[in-house]
Amino acid sequence: DIVMTQSPDSLAVSLGERATINCKSSQNILSSSKNKNYLNWYQHKPGQPLKLLIYGASTRQSGVPDRFSGSGSGTDFTLTISSLQAEDVAVYYCHQDYITPITFGGGTKVEIK
Amino acid sequence: EVQLVQSGGDLVQPGGSLRLSCAASGFTFSAYWMHWVRQVPGKGLVWVSYISTDGGGSRYADSVKGRFTISRDNVKNILYLQMNSVRAEDAGLYFCARDAPDDGTIFDCWGQGALVTVSS
Repeated sequence: DIVMTQSPDSLAVSLGERATINCKSSQNILSSSKNKNYLNWYQHKPGQPLKLLIYGASTRQSGVPDRFSGSGSGTDFTLTISSLQAEDVAVYYCHQDYITPITFGGGTKVEIK
Repeated sequence: EVQLVQSGGDLVQPGGSLRLSCAASGFTFSAYWMHWVRQVPGKGLVWVSYISTDGGGSRYADSVKGRFTISRDNVKNILYLQMNSVRAEDAGLYFCARDAPDDGTIFDCWGQGALVTVSS
């Protein structure tokens, strides 16, 4: 199985500052034939359903604010929140859907400093 | 509004059974593959099972194969997970999720979760 490793486990960022979450896969999850990274990001607020933020490593889901961006390719990926808002406090998960079984990172908890 | 509303989470004894439900609304349920994903404290999210649009195809994680059964009712718009011979390691928050009709497995809608506690 592909192991997805997120870092850090948690981070505290001041309002308006940048938050950066890293995700590393144990194998390449880039399809060269389709030129697509099979990497997705989700946001989970307690008591709420998870929300898809980014798919294909860098495509924002409809309705997601543009302060959220995804980057990376191959095995190393990043989710960036350019200017942290209070409503962004949540746990963020990366997810690979390149090889079954699909697997998730362990999550990164984002808090306000 | 696209929505998945879950029910059925409960306390179950080791070796016991439990059925989780996930009621879909706001979209054509029969057009989507559906999945179950478990959240385990300290271990993140773990994929459990999926079912095809008509229920004719399904797959399970090795850890639940032979014990769990995924099914769906496309008339009532409900997804199910029948959990039999439950073990302590099956405990967690179970989510149903809709698989977006794109290349790959992208979960574009999730349920709110159902808590399964395993204890005697």
